[in-house]
Formats: sequence, structure tokens, C-alpha cells
Amino acid sequence: ETGVTQSPTHLIKTRGQQVTLRCSSQSGHNTVSWYQQALGQGPQFIFQYYREEENGRGNFPPRFSGLQFPNYSSELNVNALELDDSALYLCASSLAQMNTEAFFGQGTRLTVV
Amino acid sequence: AQSVTQLDSQVPVFEEAPVELRCNYSSSVSVYLFWYVQYPNQGLQLLLKYLSGSTLVKGINGFEAEFNKSQTSFHLRKPSVHISDTAEYFCAVTLSRDDKIIFGKGTRLHILP
Repeated sequence: ETGVTQSPTHLIKTRGQQVTLRCSSQSGHNTVSWYQQALGQGPQFIFQYYREEENGRGNFPPRFSGLQFPNYSSELNVNALELDDSALYLCASSLAQMNTEAFFGQGTRLTVV
Repeated sequence: AQSVTQLDSQVPVFEEAPVELRCNYSSSVSVYLFWYVQYPNQGLQLLLKYLSGSTLVKGINGFEAEFNKSQTSFHLRKPSVHISDTAEYFCAVTLSRDDKIIFGKGTRLHILP
């Protein structure tokens, strides 16, 4: 079985720009969650997608949005980037209603300058 | 609401010495408890989990943790650490296996030669 893969691994953006991060879930998993990990902090829940619909959201502004596709891969979009958006963005996949734990990808390191 | 407190931001320990990383949680309902490890420039890897049953949980790489309901603690232990254990360790809780995960701020384990 394939693991969770995220792309790109690193990127640098300018304040005010928009960014799209991508996540391919583990084979057979139908739920994807996104987390933001600022430097020196624990990951913070952004939102979760189940069967292409948002299924829970953390304390993040609307400029953080997402999509889940029919193959259960997912995108995280961030508009109007701010310096504080610089962080490691982690994607985790799981199989809802089957009592499986989440598996994490390696993350995307976003730097906003 | 649930919360996780990791009492030490950094723990230095000599190689082959024992170590304990402390974690306390707060919740008005039953939770699942986890420890994750994050090696430099990597994603999160599940070390061990407590779901129910025996309060002593064994995980990978020789780590174990004990769930103490009365003290709302879930401390992580290893009897003899190795240089390869150098990493950030995160304690986490969730209400169910596919719910959002709430992480502590992490404890950096620093192995001294």
C-alpha cells in the first residue's frame, strides 16, 4: 500500500499571493485532514474532508480553503498569504468509520516573505 | 473542549539512560491518547496509542506509556535511549479515531553522548 504523499516539499511565496498544496491519501483511505505546524509548536487542525465535503474545521479564517477529489486526494488553498502563514503543512489520511488511525505525510514547508 | 499539556519543552538525557516525557490532558469525556514522533524535517510517525484496556501501552522503538485516568496523564518512557531517538515528541488526544487530533506543543528529546 502507498503512503500519504504531499507536494511540493518546500515553497516560497510572497505576502499577498495565493498557494495550493496537494495531498494524495493512503490507498483505500477516504478522509483527509490538514494541519498547520508553526515553528516550535504542535500541529493545529485546519479542516477535514470526507467524501469530498468539509467535515469539521478548526479556528482558521476563510482564506484557508480545501477540496477533496473523487479519488480522495486533496488540496489546501490559502489566499492572501500573510507572514504568519509560514509553517509546515501536514496532511493526514484515514478510513472513516473503520476505526483506523490517521497516517501523516512528510509535509510541505511554506515560507512567506 | 480537550487540551494537552506537555510539561517540558526540552529534555536532555545521556545516551543509554532512561527517559520520561510528561503529558497531561484535559477532557470532560473519554478520549483516545497518542504519542507521535517527528524526526528532523519529517512528518509525524505514530509511536503508540491508548484506546482502551490495559493502561500500559507498548509502542515502537522500545517506548511505552502509561495511562493514568485519575491524574489525567499519559507519560512516555524508555528505559535506555539511543542517539537515534533524538526527535520532537508530541502527545495528542482525539475523541474518536477519525476525529481531529489535538496536539501538545511538543517535547524535544536531546540525547547527550
